[in-house]
Amino acid sequence: GQNIDQPTEMTATEGAIVQINCTYQTSGFNGLFWYQQHAGEAPTFLSYNVLDGLEEKGRFSSFLSRSKGYSYLLLKELQMKDSASYLCAVMDSNYQLIWGAGTKLIIKP
Amino acid sequence: DGGITQSPKYLFRKEGQNVTLSCEQNLNHDAMYWYRQDPGQGLRLIYYSQIVNDFQKGDIAEGYSVSREKKESFPLTVTSAQKNPTAFYLCASSMGQGHTDTQYFGPGTRLTVL
Repeated sequence: GQNIDQPTEMTATEGAIVQINCTYQTSGFNGLFWYQQHAGEAPTFLSYNVLDGLEEKGRFSSFLSRSKGYSYLLLKELQMKDSASYLCAVMDSNYQLIWGAGTKLIIKP
Repeated sequence: DGGITQSPKYLFRKEGQNVTLSCEQNLNHDAMYWYRQDPGQGLRLIYYSQIVNDFQKGDIAEGYSVSREKKESFPLTVTSAQKNPTAFYLCASSMGQGHTDTQYFGPGTRLTVL
C-alpha cells in the first residue's frame, strides 16, 4: 500500500528553527509537496521537490532524498503565525496526490 | 482577484437528506478535485475532473456524486447513502496538464449531520 508518515505534533520556540520530517512509500514518484494549513482553513502551497536536494524559499526550505523516500521542511526564525499544520503529499505514478495526516506545529513565546 | 470559492462555509443537515456543496474557480484551471478531511487523517480524494463533462472516482466516492457542466464549477452532492458525512470538505483546482502541477484549495465547507 501507499503510505506517508509525519510526526503528529511538534513544539518549538519563537525565533528558533524546526525541522518537520516526512517519509513515504508510494507507487511511483512524481514529486513531493508541502502545504501549510491553519486551523479551519484551506491548505496553502509551500513548496515542491522532484529532484534530490534542498530548495530554499525565504524562511522555509524543503529537502528531498528520493533514494531514502524522505523529505523535510525546515522553518527558520519561527514566528507565532507559523503555528499551523504542515501537510506532506506525494504525487504517485498516476499523478494522484497521496497525503500524510499532517504535523501540528505549536510555537511557544 | 482569481481564486476558488466554496459555499457555504458551515452546513448542517439532517440524516437522510441530500446536500450539495458549491465550488467555483476563476483561475481558468482545467482540473478540479474534491477532498474530505477528518481529524488525524490525510486528505482523501472523493472525485476529480480533468475536463468539462468528465469526472473520475477517487478513493472514497461511495455516497457522493458530482457534475462538471462548466469549466468553472464542480459541485459535490453528499447523498443519504454516505454513512458518515460529517467532515471538512475541500475543493481544489489545478492547471491539469496531465503532469505534476500544483493544486490550489478553496476555503472549505464544514458539514455537520445532525
